[in-house]
Amino acid sequence: NAGVTQTPKFQVLKTGQSMTLQCAQDMNHEYMSWYRQDPGMGLRLIHYSVGAGITDQGEVPNGYNVSRSTTEDFPLRLLSAAPSQTSVYFCASRTGPAGTQYFGPGTRLLVL
Amino acid sequence: GDSVTQMEGPVTLSEEAFLTINCTYTATGYPSLFWYVQYPGEGLQLLLKATKADDKGSNKGFEATYRKETTSFHLEKGSVQVSDSAVYFCALTKRNAGNMLTFGGGTRLMVKP
Repeated sequence: NAGVTQTPKFQVLKTGQSMTLQCAQDMNHEYMSWYRQDPGMGLRLIHYSVGAGITDQGEVPNGYNVSRSTTEDFPLRLLSAAPSQTSVYFCASRTGPAGTQYFGPGTRLLVL
Repeated sequence: GDSVTQMEGPVTLSEEAFLTINCTYTATGYPSLFWYVQYPGEGLQLLLKATKADDKGSNKGFEATYRKETTSFHLEKGSVQVSDSAVYFCALTKRNAGNMLTFGGGTRLMVKP
């Protein structure tokens, strides 16, 4: 099992550009989520999904879109990047509401 | 809304010292509580958890007890090692909003030989 994988590991964008952060898991987990990590603020939930075709907003959803067409994949889209979106992004998955959360290695994003 | 507050770091200790990292929470209902650890350049890993009042979670020599009366979940270890150097996050979940995690700000631990 590869667990939770994320690509790319590092990305530099210019303000206004768009991009997609990829996340995949091979554990057949229903629940997947995206967090951003900023210094001193811990991790904050952006969007989450409790199954294919079902997504919902977290604490800081503005500027991000998600979709969940398969159980395995949960991409995060930045429609028009802003410097405030400079952060480290973590994808996570688990079996269900009481399952252990597994995190990917993270994507470091710099928006100039 | 729900929130988690951790002591600010960095916490710097010598090897074999006793560790306490404070964590308090604000939440309605009955949350589950967690400690996660993040080693340099890696994602977060679950360290331990407790799902109800007075439960004690333990793993790798670390312990934390769910104290509902003081809304706390302090992390302790009797003798730290250099390999424990990492960032530690306290977190909670509740049975709503998909049971997603609410994190504290993290506490960096540095252990010197």
